[in-house]
Amino acid sequence: NAGVTQTPKFQVLKTGQSMTLQCAQDMNHEYMSWYRQDPGMGLRLIHYSVGAGITDQGEVPNGYNVSRSTTEDFPLRLLSAAPSQTSVYFCASSYSQPNYGYTFGSGTRLTVV
Amino acid sequence: GQQVMQIPQYQHVQEGEDFTTYCNSSTTLSNIQWYKQRPGGHPVFLIQLVKSGEVKKQKRLTFQFGEAKKNSSLHITATQTTDVGTYFCAGQAAGNKLTFGGGTRVLVKP
Repeated sequence: NAGVTQTPKFQVLKTGQSMTLQCAQDMNHEYMSWYRQDPGMGLRLIHYSVGAGITDQGEVPNGYNVSRSTTEDFPLRLLSAAPSQTSVYFCASSYSQPNYGYTFGSGTRLTVV
Repeated sequence: GQQVMQIPQYQHVQEGEDFTTYCNSSTTLSNIQWYKQRPGGHPVFLIQLVKSGEVKKQKRLTFQFGEAKKNSSLHITATQTTDVGTYFCAGQAAGNKLTFGGGTRVLVKP
């Protein structure tokens, strides 16, 4: 039982490049979310999903795409990286029932130069 | 949109002392969750409060949900060095989005 696995752990991109941050969970959680964490800004929701085939936008969705083709995987795509997307990205998952909190991955530290 | 505010942003505590961090939502919540993030780590779920006026305890940590379900607090007694980290509240209103507060960063002076 690995929990929530994020890859890569570190990434440096040049402005304009695209890439996909991977997130996988093996707990059969319905809910999955992507957050970004910037110094002093807390965690801001990018996109979330309540089940396979269903996604929705969070607070800061611009510049990012997601898809949820399976229960296990929820990749985050950066379409054309910008320095403003330099951040730590966390993927999280949860059961849909009450009283279950989110399980977070260990994060991806992304730098865009 | 929904906003969740936390105060204070920073808390310097002498080891052995108590402190409280507060969380306020712009909208009525269905539930509120608390997380702890150690330096360099990821957020770890601590607890969820659902009922109006609910109080839950975890050892030295006491969590409270306000009567109007728009605010919450976390009180830590006899602070230890292991309490160092950032404590986040996260509110869930109608729908499935979980909105995080900015966090309270706790530093403990031995």
